[in-house]
Amino acid sequence: AQSVAQPEDQVNVAEGNPLTVKCTYSVSGNPYLFWYVQYPNRGLQFLLKYITGDNLVKGSYGFEAEFNKSQTSFHLKKPSALVSDSALYFCAGNFGNEKLTFGTGTRLTIIP
Amino acid sequence: GAVVSQHPSRVICKSGTSVKIECRSLDFQATTMFWYRQFPKKSLMLMATSNEGSKATYEQGVEKDKFLINHASLTLSTLTVTSAHPEDSSFYICSARDPQASSYEQYFGPGTRLTVT
Repeated sequence: AQSVAQPEDQVNVAEGNPLTVKCTYSVSGNPYLFWYVQYPNRGLQFLLKYITGDNLVKGSYGFEAEFNKSQTSFHLKKPSALVSDSALYFCAGNFGNEKLTFGTGTRLTIIP
Repeated sequence: GAVVSQHPSRVICKSGTSVKIECRSLDFQATTMFWYRQFPKKSLMLMATSNEGSKATYEQGVEKDKFLINHASLTLSTLTVTSAHPEDSSFYICSARDPQASSYEQYFGPGTRLTVT
């Protein structure tokens, strides 16, 4: 079955430290993968996507993600966290149709 | 990037009444729009796929007579919650896909908070 998993409900990181939000997917073939961020009472904002090409994808607000086919992962990373990065992050995958399959979300809290 | 708007952003209605939520793509034509429902501290649940000029495709377990979807133009889809009840209270988010884009990226609206009293 096609699925996206975010194993951590909550991630806490000290301001200035590197952050990682994990995402794995379960499908054969090459999915399209996305990261979105959601602030309270707002819709989702696009951060970055992997379609093909370089495994390291750079996106908005200094975020990047690495597509790792052998580990079926697409972890979101940032070298130095800001308090304003605190939000809800969703990983999503497209597996050949128009729909996006979302992970359960990870709440990221950056501690000043 | 592409912009999707939703109206209203927040609505309170009485039990038994109907409420309509609009989703518009502002700078592109969207042949396909999606409606999601998000429960507190939960992920997005796809309710239906809205196709311009044809009937919406509902996900399993979503009542099509309860949640009426109309996609009459390439820039507008509407979701009508009919005979609303308190359990329909939720955050509803729409998204649109730009058919000119090379990927299946969806652009999301800001969401509508529905409270049924």
